[in-house]
Amino acid sequence: NAGVTQTPKFQVLKTGQSMTLQCAQDMNHNSMYWYRQDPGMGLRLIYYSASEGTTDKGEVPNGYNVSRLNKREFSLRLESAAPSQTSVYFCASRGFGAGANVLTFGAGSRLTVL
Amino acid sequence: GESVGLHLPTLSVQEGDNSIINCAYSNSASDYFIWYKQESGKGPQFIIDIRSNMDKRQGQRVTVLLNKTVKHLSLQIAATQPGDSAVYFCAENYGGNDYKLSFGAGTTVTVRA
Repeated sequence: NAGVTQTPKFQVLKTGQSMTLQCAQDMNHNSMYWYRQDPGMGLRLIYYSASEGTTDKGEVPNGYNVSRLNKREFSLRLESAAPSQTSVYFCASRGFGAGANVLTFGAGSRLTVL
Repeated sequence: GESVGLHLPTLSVQEGDNSIINCAYSNSASDYFIWYKQESGKGPQFIIDIRSNMDKRQGQRVTVLLNKTVKHLSLQIAATQPGDSAVYFCAENYGGNDYKLSFGAGTTVTVRA
């Protein structure tokens, strides 16, 4: 199983450009999440989707939008990138039953905004 | 949610020794805590979790201790191996059934041969 797949792995943007980070999971999980990780800090929740068709804000949603395209895919969009959005972005999904309390993370997408 | 913090940013351990990683949390209402391991260039990986109605839980070579009186969480790794070198994060669930995690800043563990 691939688990959680994120694309792209690396991206460099200029201030004001837009882009979308893609995330897909093949574990039939209901819940999906987007986190950002900055140096010396823990992960911070940007947005999450408890189930297909629903999305909610996390701790740091400003400057981002999300789309839960279907059960497998959850994308994160930066409409007008800013240097403060330079970070490593992680997508995660959460299962149910015995796996309900375990977040499975992707490998990350490193974004640099110049 | 309130932040979850770790006491020390780095920990150097001799191979074969036991490691203890500490974490202080501030939200007394938190009822669920998790430890994650993150290796370089990878996403965090679940290690072990504990609910607030427990004070100890053991896994394979790992033990998590929870002291609610002083809001302290620790991760013990027995017989530390080179593969244990990583950044370790504690996290608390502040979102109830929505399962929104607040992560600490992390402790970097380096295992000396």
